[in-house]
Amino acid sequence: KAGVTQTPRYLIKTRGQQVTLSCSPISGHRSVSWYQQTPGQGLQFLFEYFSETQRNKGNFPGRFSGRQFSNSRSEMNVSTLELGDSALYLCASSFGTGGETQYFGPGTRLLVL
Amino acid sequence: QQQVKQSPQSLIVQKGGISIINCAYENTAFDYFPWYQQFPGKGPALLIAIRPDVSEKKEGRFTISFNKSAKQFSLHIMDSQPGDSATYFCAARRGGTDKLIFGTGTRLQVFP
Repeated sequence: KAGVTQTPRYLIKTRGQQVTLSCSPISGHRSVSWYQQTPGQGLQFLFEYFSETQRNKGNFPGRFSGRQFSNSRSEMNVSTLELGDSALYLCASSFGTGGETQYFGPGTRLLVL
Repeated sequence: QQQVKQSPQSLIVQKGGISIINCAYENTAFDYFPWYQQFPGKGPALLIAIRPDVSEKKEGRFTISFNKSAKQFSLHIMDSQPGDSATYFCAARRGGTDKLIFGTGTRLQVFP
């Protein structure tokens, strides 16, 4: 069974640009969550989606948005990139919400110059 | 109230020794406490998890001890091996959500 896949794995952008990251959950999983990992702030929750509905949102500005498609694949978008958005963006999936083990993907490393 | 405090920040252990990492939480609504292991360049991988109705859970060399009244839980790695060298994160989650609140991480180095 394939694990959580994230594309692209690495990305370099400049300030002011926007970026879209993609996450494909494990087959059969319907819940997808996103996290930002930085050396200074650690692992911070961004969003949680289940059956195309956003169930939870972390404490991030409106420049961070996401969505989930009917096949459970998810995308997150960051507009007007800032230097501080440089981070590892991780996606995790599970069968449902609140009761199941979550499996993380390898992440997308975003560098903003 | 959403915080999970983790210590120590780094840990150096001799091969064969016991590694102990501690976490504390405040929100009594948390009902699931996983530990994740992360190697450089990889995403976190679930190591072991516990719910508050159990005081201890053991899987191989890894044991979680849970103290509900003190709102603390810890990870014990017995017979630590160089391959265990990684960053370990504790986390907590409320029921009905997949939102994980992570500790700040512990970098473990096991020397032969």
